[in-house]
Amino acid sequence: NAGVTQTPKFRVLKTGQSMTLLCAQDMNHEYMYWYRQDPGMGLRLIHYSVGEGTTAKGEVPDGYNVSRLKKQNFLLGLESAAPSQTSVYFCASSSDSGRNRYTQYFGPGTRLTVL
Amino acid sequence: AQRVTQPEKLLSVFKGAPVELKCNYSYSGSPELFWYVQYSRQRLQLLLRHISRESIKGFTADLNKGETSFHLKKPFAQEEDSAMYYCALTLRTQGAQKLVFGQGTRLTINP
Repeated sequence: NAGVTQTPKFRVLKTGQSMTLLCAQDMNHEYMYWYRQDPGMGLRLIHYSVGEGTTAKGEVPDGYNVSRLKKQNFLLGLESAAPSQTSVYFCASSSDSGRNRYTQYFGPGTRLTVL
Repeated sequence: AQRVTQPEKLLSVFKGAPVELKCNYSYSGSPELFWYVQYSRQRLQLLLRHISRESIKGFTADLNKGETSFHLKKPFAQEEDSAMYYCALTLRTQGAQKLVFGQGTRLTINP
């Protein structure tokens, strides 16, 4: 039971390049989330999903797109990377039932640098 | 607007001393609050949630609705408590459950 995994762990991009971050969870959770973590700003929600095939915007969605084609996977895309997107990206998942209802479980993070 | 405020970015205490990390929230409904911890170069993990009323690793937090606070406390700090601590508030909107995080407090325990 790996929990929440993210690939890649690190990436360096040039301005204008694109990339996709992959998040996978093996806990059969309905909800999945993408956050970015920046110094002094805590974690801010980029996009989230309440189930397979559905996505919604969070607090800071501009410049990002997401897809949830399978329940266990949540992809975050940067179509044209900008230096302002340099950050650490965390994926999380949660369930809407059971003892740990609504507790979010986090992945290890992806450190992205945009030059 | 829903908001979580952690007024201290940095907090430094000596080993064995009591520690209190402050968290204040702004929310019109019935709040559900969490403390998450992030040790150096590790992922965020749940420390405790107010509805469980547990003590985890010696930490406790009590929800005070009158003061809209959820401060995290430990009577005797240990060096392994050094970490980044985030207070978070649950929002339930449009069939989703989202977390609003505070800015975080970096706790350093000095030997």
